[in-house]
Amino acid sequence: GDSVTQMEGPVTLSEEAFLTINCTYTATGYPSLFWYVQYPGEGLQLLLKATKADDKGSNKGFEATYRKETTSFHLEKGSVQVSDSAVYFCALSGPFGNEKLTFGTGTRLTIIP
Amino acid sequence: DVKVTQSSRYLVKRTGEKVFLECVQDMDHENMFWYRQDPGLGLRLIYFSYDVKMKEKGDIPEGYSVSREKKERFSLILESASTNQTSMYLCASIPGTSGSPSYEQYFGPGTRLTVT
Repeated sequence: GDSVTQMEGPVTLSEEAFLTINCTYTATGYPSLFWYVQYPGEGLQLLLKATKADDKGSNKGFEATYRKETTSFHLEKGSVQVSDSAVYFCALSGPFGNEKLTFGTGTRLTIIP
Repeated sequence: DVKVTQSSRYLVKRTGEKVFLECVQDMDHENMFWYRQDPGLGLRLIYFSYDVKMKEKGDIPEGYSVSREKKERFSLILESASTNQTSMYLCASIPGTSGSPSYEQYFGPGTRLTVT
């Protein structure tokens, strides 16, 4: 079945550091790929998405590119802020985008001033 | 503004009790989902529904059932709560296949259930 493997945390970085959180997936067909974020005390919300190979999703300075050849969707940000401290989840769904989500285990990110 | 609400933020129940977790969305979405979130395991799908009266098992349905009598409401039922069902439960919804594709699932705030 489908699965998502993401970098284990926790990850602690200083403000303005470069961030990469690795994510690889296994799926049949052509999945849609997502990064969801959970800020402290809040529910999950969509951070960015990519629906086909070579698509780049971006939002709030975060980016991730759908790489079919390496089955990866790594999350990057050039300069993190304290407000980026949260838990990040990589996920995939079917190609239509409205199907069930398969999640990775989550990566807790803490940014220190 | 889209909204998914869950009946309780925190719930404490005893082993063997029947537990109802309610989820309501106001976006007229066809598809609804129940996940549980555990540290180190991420979110795992319990049950989902693509229409009223319709339900499908997810990856970990054992010990749970669901009910979808109205489009906006999707209930998760723990028939006989056990301590290994202590977890955070998240409900989500998304439009169905009609119209333009929609890729964002909207999540409720979660219910943290403790079974003692």
